[in-house]
Amino acid sequence: AQRVTQPEKLLSVFKGAPVELKCNYSYSGSPELFWYVQYSRQRLQLLLRHISRESIKGFTADLNKGETSFHLKKPFAQEEDSAMYYCALRSSGGTSYGKLTFGQGTILTVHP
Amino acid sequence: NAGVTQTPKFQVLKTGQSMTLQCAQDMNHEYMSWYRQDPGMGLRLIHYSVGAGITDQGEVPNGYNVSRSTTEDFPLRLLSAAPSQTSVYFCASRIGVSGNTIYFGEGSWLTVV
Repeated sequence: AQRVTQPEKLLSVFKGAPVELKCNYSYSGSPELFWYVQYSRQRLQLLLRHISRESIKGFTADLNKGETSFHLKKPFAQEEDSAMYYCALRSSGGTSYGKLTFGQGTILTVHP
Repeated sequence: NAGVTQTPKFQVLKTGQSMTLQCAQDMNHEYMSWYRQDPGMGLRLIHYSVGAGITDQGEVPNGYNVSRSTTEDFPLRLLSAAPSQTSVYFCASRIGVSGNTIYFGEGSWLTVV
């Protein structure tokens, strides 16, 4: 069974401080991992995916297969980063191919 | 192009009542799914569909029915509402099983009293 764990329900930082949102996963195959974000009064939307190794809005996330982690990082947080963040894993094969499992979510608050 | 449209946005039900949450997408996506969002539980998959005429259960299917008679529509039915079904419901679609970007609806806030 696939599982995604986000250990922090709430995370508070000050503007300009570094931020790291933790995500750990459990999956027997080769994982496909994503970060989704939900800003206040907006729809949940894709932030980034590991396979593209991109930086979006200053955020990056590196897949660490040894530690089974996909932490989301930003060196200098901005107030507009305040949102709910979800880590998600998509199964890449087997009978549950394509199934997307979300973590519990982390609410990030960036204080001025 | 409206994306994913969910109705109603807010609903209060009495225990035992039935209702249908509507979901429609205009992107010709094959893959559609319903999630519920609860504090501390994240998003949990209720049911999903890989194409018209095909549906399957997710993690928490009990108490819910779905159908997929067209590519565009994927309604979620609560047969006999229970307080445990108080939640925020999200419909989502993507182009196919391997689609990288999921498009979400705005959510439906359901309270069962």
